[in-house]
Amino acid sequence: GQQVMQIPQYQHVQEGEDFTTYCNSSTTLSNIQWYKQRPGGHPVFLIQLVKSGEVKKQKRLTFQFGEAKKNSSLHITATQTTDVGTYFCAGVEYGNKLVFGAGTILRVKS
Amino acid sequence: DTAVSQTPKYLVTQMGNDKSIKCEQNLGHDTMYWYKQDSKKFLKIMFSYNNKELIINETVPNRFSPKSPDKAHLNLHINSLELGDSAVYFCASSQAHGGLSYEQYFGPGTRLTVT
Repeated sequence: GQQVMQIPQYQHVQEGEDFTTYCNSSTTLSNIQWYKQRPGGHPVFLIQLVKSGEVKKQKRLTFQFGEAKKNSSLHITATQTTDVGTYFCAGVEYGNKLVFGAGTILRVKS
Repeated sequence: DTAVSQTPKYLVTQMGNDKSIKCEQNLGHDTMYWYKQDSKKFLKIMFSYNNKELIINETVPNRFSPKSPDKAHLNLHINSLELGDSAVYFCASSQAHGGLSYEQYFGPGTRLTVT
């Protein structure tokens, strides 16, 4: 079945440093989504990528979808303490269910 | 104006008991889900309903039974609770199943602790 691998599992950064999490699917995806879960909170939708090679930006966050539509990344520039949480990618196979990656836990030291 | 609500927020119970978690969404979505998040934060889908019809039923013990009285509600009943059932259970909803309109809205979660 479809698998979505996400690395790294944990990342501790100094405030102001950059952060990247990577997502790889075993199958070609129709689209990929990213969610953020604050400590003690629930996953909140960030963005959806649909097109091959797509790049989207939200302030300091940059999301990319690979050309083969099997991988994706989320890059945060100059992290802030408000960025702490777990970032999940979630891939959708064509006409199928959403499969979440294991998540990357981001800790930011001020 | 809570979009997806769950009750209770916390549930502490003993092994062998039966318990239910309720979920309601006021977004007008057609599809609702139950996810289980374990202590390592792994988020795994359990069930999905579209217009009250079960469309996803992952490998979940049959002690877990979802019920959707209408498309705005999806409840989860768990029989004979076990220690391994301890987790956070999230309800979610989305506008459609499959395709591109798939953004999911999550409820606040129910932290279940089985002692």
